[in-house]
Amino acid sequence: DAMVIQNPRYQVTQFGKPVTLSCSQTLNHNVMYWYQQKSSQAPKLLFHYYDKDFNNEADTPDNFQSRRPNTSFCFLDIRSPGLGDAAMYLCATSRALLSYEQYFGPGTRLTVT
Amino acid sequence: DQQVKQNSPSLSVQEGRISILNCDYTNSMFDYFLWYKKYPAEGPTFLISISSIKDKNEDGRFTVFLNKSAKHLSLHIVPSQPGDSAVYFCAAGYQGGSEKLVFGKGMKLTVNP
Repeated sequence: DAMVIQNPRYQVTQFGKPVTLSCSQTLNHNVMYWYQQKSSQAPKLLFHYYDKDFNNEADTPDNFQSRRPNTSFCFLDIRSPGLGDAAMYLCATSRALLSYEQYFGPGTRLTVT
Repeated sequence: DQQVKQNSPSLSVQEGRISILNCDYTNSMFDYFLWYKKYPAEGPTFLISISSIKDKNEDGRFTVFLNKSAKHLSLHIVPSQPGDSAVYFCAAGYQGGSEKLVFGKGMKLTVNP
């Protein structure tokens, strides 16, 4: 089945220790998104890639970076995680820009100790 | 500033009855609206959408109604089934809006047998 896969599902990191979250997709979609969702909050878009074009949201902290080495994979790097970065991180894809329907992975729950 | 609001955090209904989930928005530029359903430990999945040129869209047991003048949309589930128990997110987007979706905080629906 075509899908969006996120690894790991649960990640524990120490305060200030860099961490990388992974997302892969078998849908061959052009657009990949990263969202941050804190408890009882709406998913908040951090950035998205259209092919190799990176689009950062204005309020995404510099601490958050992303890489997309190929169509299938996208990574979220948190350079120096703080306690406030503990959240669920959701990866999503869509077929094209202005294709509003997005397909989500199961998320990675990040804990910062 | 929340542009998409789901003001009720939870709803409980009996199996077989109607579930009505509400969503309000503030940005009059939104021209496309979606509902996503999320089960625990899974990512959100697309449920149904509506364009601003329509006021109703139906898909089986699910109907979405849009009232543009009131900036309000609702999702009706008839009849409700226990398997519908999940968190439902309302989302909105618009052409020229950086191709991003703005999500509400979600509403937890519980359908009791």
